[in-house]
Amino acid sequence: DGGITQSPKYLFRKEGQNVTLSCEQNLNHDAMYWYRQDPGQGLRLIYYSQIVNDFQKGDIAEGYSVSREKKESFPLTVTSAQKNPTAFYLCASSRPQTGGNEQFFGPGTRLTVL
Amino acid sequence: KQEVTQIPAALSVPEGENLVLNCSFTDSAIYNLQWFRQDPGKGLTSLLLIQSSQREQTSGRLNASLDKSSGRSTLYIAASQPGDSATYLCAVRRPYGGATNKLIFGTGTLLAVQP
Repeated sequence: DGGITQSPKYLFRKEGQNVTLSCEQNLNHDAMYWYRQDPGQGLRLIYYSQIVNDFQKGDIAEGYSVSREKKESFPLTVTSAQKNPTAFYLCASSRPQTGGNEQFFGPGTRLTVL
Repeated sequence: KQEVTQIPAALSVPEGENLVLNCSFTDSAIYNLQWFRQDPGKGLTSLLLIQSSQREQTSGRLNASLDKSSGRSTLYIAASQPGDSATYLCAVRRPYGGATNKLIFGTGTLLAVQP
């Protein structure tokens, strides 16, 4: 089955720790995205990547980092510099970004800082 | 700055009723608009994508309309069922040739269909 997988489903982090969220897709999509969702707010874009070895900051990139070494994978690291990391994180992918193509989302990872 | 608003924030209807969810956006210069469904604790499922040149799109019991000039979109759900209960999100995409294929999301409408 084609789709987007995210792991883990739930993640707990202690203050000062870096954690990495996994996102994998087998849709052969060029573009991938990371969003953050907080209660009462719409999704906000953290980072996006149009192609392998390229990525750009979204609207709320501070305290986050990404890599895009493979087409299928776009991991997100939440660093200790992120002041309020507790949120629901969603990964998405689409065909080439410039075509305004439909985005497909993974099941999400819920991160809680203890 | 593009802002997307969805009203009402929550809606409860009896099973079988037809209903309309509203989405408004402040900047009519959009590339397209996408409606999503989100079940509690889950990711987003794409329902319909309307290009800026289109007026509406249909999929099964769902019909989405777009009026760019007034900055509005509606999602019509016919003969609602308890399984339709979820949060419905709309998102607009910035124009092609602009910065990116970024989606700007509304905060969603939480729909409860009572059996």
